[in-house]
Amino acid sequence: EVQLVESGGGLVKPGGSLRLSCAASGFTFSHAWMYWVRQTPGKGLEWVGRIKSKTDGETTDYAVPVKGRFTISRDDSKNTLFLQMNSLETEDTAIYYCTSNRFGVMDIWGKGTTVNVSS
Amino acid sequence: QLVLTQSPSASASLGASVTLTCTLSTGHTTYAIVWHQQQPEKGPRYLMKVNSDGSHTNGDGIPDRFSGSSSGAERYLTIASLQSEDDADYFCHTWGTGIEVFGGGTKLTVL
Repeated sequence: EVQLVESGGGLVKPGGSLRLSCAASGFTFSHAWMYWVRQTPGKGLEWVGRIKSKTDGETTDYAVPVKGRFTISRDDSKNTLFLQMNSLETEDTAIYYCTSNRFGVMDIWGKGTTVNVSS
Repeated sequence: QLVLTQSPSASASLGASVTLTCTLSTGHTTYAIVWHQQQPEKGPRYLMKVNSDGSHTNGDGIPDRFSGSSSGAERYLTIASLQSEDDADYFCHTWGTGIEVFGGGTKLTVL
């Protein structure tokens, strides 16, 4: 079964850090471009960032609100995607989803992990 | 600037059809888009890709009553024979160099 499972969410104080993980199974993870997308309660989807496959250079891009604070990485040997979040702000409170692009579209979504930034 | 615009809400009766619209910003009217569905309390699910020529490719397991089409800057999602489980949020999504963009979403209510 093709699946993405996020973990690592929780409650953190403003200025703190958190590392999210996304475990992939059922497809060739190393070939896929991977993304993080977040959703504020009751609101729409917001792209956070993307990492390409190793064969495509493993380059990263980030949305403006998180650039310089968040870092995406991947471990193809463990089929796992990461999101390191530093200098967290209350505006970063959201459900964080990982998604994959296997065939040119964002076609698999995880169930999400919740991040709550609050003092 | 690459922007996708969606109406906030739509409604239709059980068994009827409904068409949702996603509008691409000026200068980006040839872009393909993707439709995602998000049922209440669930993560999003990929529905289909819609190209500028109106062709579309449904995701695995997405029934044929979901279809896509295009006209100019507009990309459409048509759902036929509406069922209760179609009551959900629908987001369109596109991409450029180093950027991904989502529309604000349309909340579809099945009456």
